[in-house]
Amino acid sequence: DAKTTQPPSMDCAEGRAANLPCNHSTISGNEYVYWYRQIHSQGPQYIIHGLKNNETNEMASLIITEDRKSSTLILPHATLRDTAVYYCIVREANTGNQFYFGTGTSLTVIP
Amino acid sequence: EAGVVQSPRYKIIEKKQPVAFWCNPISGHNTLYWYLQNLGQGPELLIRYENEEAVDDSQLPKDRFSAERLKGVDSTLKIQPAELGDSAVYLCASSLSGIGEQFFGPGTRLTVL
Repeated sequence: DAKTTQPPSMDCAEGRAANLPCNHSTISGNEYVYWYRQIHSQGPQYIIHGLKNNETNEMASLIITEDRKSSTLILPHATLRDTAVYYCIVREANTGNQFYFGTGTSLTVIP
Repeated sequence: EAGVVQSPRYKIIEKKQPVAFWCNPISGHNTLYWYLQNLGQGPELLIRYENEEAVDDSQLPKDRFSAERLKGVDSTLKIQPAELGDSAVYLCASSLSGIGEQFFGPGTRLTVL
């Protein structure tokens, strides 16, 4: 599975959009981009995933560049409860392989 | 719907003692994972089960770690004997078929003194 690169930390003002970037320049055609987050003392929580089209759900939006070498997770109106470590992961479709989490981005939402 | 249940949430033991962690996955989920998470790092896979069968245990330190998933539902992860370096959070996750998103439990925080 391809590796990802994320900034180690970011801050965001409460109520503003949080844009978390992820680089996955070696992604292959059958690999999906997944985003998980982990709030302190909890297990990771699934947020969203996509292949090449942009995706949106009740939690976030995922923007994937046309060449699929990078993506951005957008939390449209960040709240204090969004403070967490966010992991960007790429994984082949239709496999039970593990998720390679890396070290993620520690997002702090500031009041 | 109940999530993945793990117990205990916290465990403190002395080195060389045995320890066991228990996981109850989401009902109907065939695939179960055990992950290890060290401080400041992301989770790393220890073992993956498809029903009762361990299909990927390549990263499980088999000299001291063992796992079982009897009847393809609950699972137990054991360490015997525990070492200081085993202090970490042990996470259990499950998925419906292994190809979709994984749902994680809260983890067991192990401290080995």
